[in-house]
Amino acid sequence: GQNIDQPTEMTATEGAIVQINCTYQTSGFNGLFWYQQHAGEAPTFLSYNVLDGLEEKGRFSSFLSRSKGYSYLLLKELQMKDSASYLCAVKDSNYQLIWGAGTKLIIKP
Amino acid sequence: IAGITQAPTSQILAAGRRMTLRCTQDMRHNAMYWYRQDLGLGLRLIHYSNTAGTTGKGEVPDGYSVSRANTDDFPLTLASAVPSQTSVYFCASSDSEGKGANEQYFGPGTRLTVT
Repeated sequence: GQNIDQPTEMTATEGAIVQINCTYQTSGFNGLFWYQQHAGEAPTFLSYNVLDGLEEKGRFSSFLSRSKGYSYLLLKELQMKDSASYLCAVKDSNYQLIWGAGTKLIIKP
Repeated sequence: IAGITQAPTSQILAAGRRMTLRCTQDMRHNAMYWYRQDLGLGLRLIHYSNTAGTTGKGEVPDGYSVSRANTDDFPLTLASAVPSQTSVYFCASSDSEGKGANEQYFGPGTRLTVT
């Protein structure tokens, strides 16, 4: 079966750094996506990794290791507005996205 | 219209009734998708369409049908609603299916309660 695992919830402090992990087992791999979803809103795209390594985009970075079936999203200089759920998704051999249940990130002052 | 819209925003529906959720995009994207999102579960694909005139079944298609008569519209129909279809429904679109980033853009969602 196909499976995406993420922690259910994480708590961090404003101004700090947090790393959200994602492990996956899928039939084929055609890229890994991270999306942000604020409560009651639609998911919005954050990042895409298809090759091993780190992709940096401002305060957010995403890392991929295909051999380990592992990715993480790194958020630096946390702000209160970063309180949201972060969704990991893998595009499988049929080019369909398989989604994790999401990690709810709580930022405390 | 800018982006992707869905209607209605929310709906309470009696079990057994028929309901169509509407989705329209103005980005001229080829691919469109319907997901449901339930607490504690990831987004689950119901149906998809890679291009106008074609549709395909996703992970949880039972009880739902779709059509894709043109590029812009992708309605989702519940023929006879059941309480287990209570969920938040998201429509999404992407430039094309296949390799590459092809990020999906999501509509604001429809919150459906079946009583």
